[in-house]
Amino acid sequence: QKEVEQDPGPLSVPEGAIVSLNCTYSNSAFQYFMWYRQYSRKGPELLMYTYSSGNKEDGRFTAQVDKSSKYISLFIRDSQPSDSATYLCAMSEGKGGGADGLTFGKGTHLIIQP
Amino acid sequence: NAGVTQTPKFRVLKTGQSMTLLCAQDMNHEYMYWYRQDPGMGLRLIHYSVGEGTTAKGEVPDGYNVSRLKKQNFLLGLESAAPSQTSVYFCASGQLARETQYFGPGTRLLVL
Repeated sequence: QKEVEQDPGPLSVPEGAIVSLNCTYSNSAFQYFMWYRQYSRKGPELLMYTYSSGNKEDGRFTAQVDKSSKYISLFIRDSQPSDSATYLCAMSEGKGGGADGLTFGKGTHLIIQP
Repeated sequence: NAGVTQTPKFRVLKTGQSMTLLCAQDMNHEYMYWYRQDPGMGLRLIHYSVGEGTTAKGEVPDGYNVSRLKKQNFLLGLESAAPSQTSVYFCASGQLARETQYFGPGTRLLVL
């Protein structure tokens, strides 16, 4: 049973649209939730970091966590071609790193059409 | 502040050859990790270290060895490369009691 599910896409939307990316998970012990952005042939870079349930906003990006539904989302407003990348969700129980550090989704490939 | 760096960026090996991938971080992080990323498989943890002189196995450790002789460096070794080890390898580091990890730019390895 996969712990973190993420639609691989590709998800293609026109420039300026609102993008919604999602992950579901099965482990109710997850407390920390992250979104990473990975451009082609580059390493993942941390985009958003949230603890427990609720929303967090940073510029055009909003991360939402619904622990009751075991569902997290990343919204991108006014999407730009430069947002085209693979977005990976990641989560942790909060045991302080090591092998219990992060569980990753496989990533959603996002394409913003000019 | 360079963050996490990896060398080399790209390497081609023949089956049976050995090589070492070097990861360095300048953020004074306690934790360091080696992942491989393959199409459709996502990121898979190979080995990790929770401090200088310590190492432990991750999800897919077979065929790899690691060493953490200095806090800022984490080495990944392939003693006898196999075509199944063709992949992109990422190193990451993280702070004690923090849950985020910071990734290097990756090493693309092709084993023929």
